[in-house]
Amino acid sequence: NAGVTQTPKFQVLKTGQSMTLQCAQDMNHNSMYWYRQDPGMGLRLIYYSASEGTTDKGEVPNGYNVSRLNKREFSLRLESAAPSQTSVYFCASSELGGGNTEAFFGQGTRLTVV
Amino acid sequence: AQKVTQAQTEISVVEKEDVTLDCVYETRDTTYYLFWYKQPPSGELVFLIRRNSFDEQNEISGRYSWNFQKSTSSFNFTITASQVVDSAVYFCALSSGGSYIPTFGRGTSLIVHP
Repeated sequence: NAGVTQTPKFQVLKTGQSMTLQCAQDMNHNSMYWYRQDPGMGLRLIYYSASEGTTDKGEVPNGYNVSRLNKREFSLRLESAAPSQTSVYFCASSELGGGNTEAFFGQGTRLTVV
Repeated sequence: AQKVTQAQTEISVVEKEDVTLDCVYETRDTTYYLFWYKQPPSGELVFLIRRNSFDEQNEISGRYSWNFQKSTSSFNFTITASQVVDSAVYFCALSSGGSYIPTFGRGTSLIVHP
């Protein structure tokens, strides 16, 4: 019963490097999300995908791109990492846009950009 | 637009004390959903409760209870007889507005001392 799986769990990047955070869910959810968590800021939405084939910007999309590869997978790409992107990243999924069901979260990816 | 305010950044109590975590929300929609999540020191986000806007009935689950008051736009969380294992960051979240994307408060860090 995996739920939401994120990889990697930890990553250190140098400024300017690129990387992709992977996320997969096995609950047949339509909606998927990427959040970042910074101290004192709570969880802020980066991008979301309401359904397969659609993606939209959230509150803090600059510096990121996403791909909804299929219903299960939603990846987050940093094209040119910056120290300001040092954060903990969470992928989540939910049915019916997170309304009458809760969002399920992955374990998180702790990213450090040096 | 939707917004969640958790005014308490950090609360420190001694074991067996009761503690209430405040959550105030803003939304223009009449249909919305409220959630509480727990984030223990291990970092994962654990769903605790969901409540919809049409159900103001308070809920009790063991030592946990939730008070939903539409008149004050609040959804407060009380832990009775707190324990050290309750030490965590607690997030209140709101989904509304058709897309029902979860918006999170900044979290309240609860520290329970033995």
